Amino acid sequence: NAGVTQTPKFQVLKTGQSMTLQCAQDMNHNSMYWYRQDPGMGLRLIYYSASEGTTDKGEVPNGYNVSRLNKREFSLRLESAAPSQTSVYFCASSEAGDHFGYTFGSGTRLTVV
Amino acid sequence: GESVGLHLPTLSVQEGDNSIINCAYSNSASDYFIWYKQESGKGPQFIIDIRSNMDKRQGQRVTVLLNKTVKHLSLQIAATQPGDSAVYFCAEKRIGTGGFKTIFGAGTRLFVKA
Repeated sequence: NAGVTQTPKFQVLKTGQSMTLQCAQDMNHNSMYWYRQDPGMGLRLIYYSASEGTTDKGEVPNGYNVSRLNKREFSLRLESAAPSQTSVYFCASSEAGDHFGYTFGSGTRLTVV
Repeated sequence: GESVGLHLPTLSVQEGDNSIINCAYSNSASDYFIWYKQESGKGPQFIIDIRSNMDKRQGQRVTVLLNKTVKHLSLQIAATQPGDSAVYFCAEKRIGTGGFKTIFGAGTRLFVKA
């Protein structure tokens, strides 16, 4: 049982380049999330998808777009990467509702130069 | 403003001692709180949760205490082991415009001395 799988694990981009971070879960969870983690700032929510077919902005959505491709997959796209987007990105999934914790992927370490 | 925060950024304990990690929150509307553990190079891992209608919940070697009067959450780890060395996050789950989402604190790094 793989849980939440993120690809790639590492990526270096030049300023202005675009890329898509992939996330897939095999737990049949309804809700999926993208977070970024910066030193000393914990995890900040970028976008989330409460269920297939819906997406909503989190705390720090600027510069990102998402696609909930199907129930399993939730991708994060950087259209024009900036150095401020250098971070570790985590995808997570959970059952819908208010009393469920998250299962996280192992993260993507992105550096924008 | 609304926030979930931690009192101490680092905590160092002797192997075998008990650890207590504290967390303050300000949104009294949240009714579900979670502790996560993050080891180096890995994603956060769910440890234990508690609902606001409870004041204590126990797991294997871990206990979470919730004091709604002072909006305080703590994680107690019994007989701390080297494998407990990690960053610990408290988090609260809130309803947003599109559904439930989790807000994380900044984290406390736990060091276990052998």
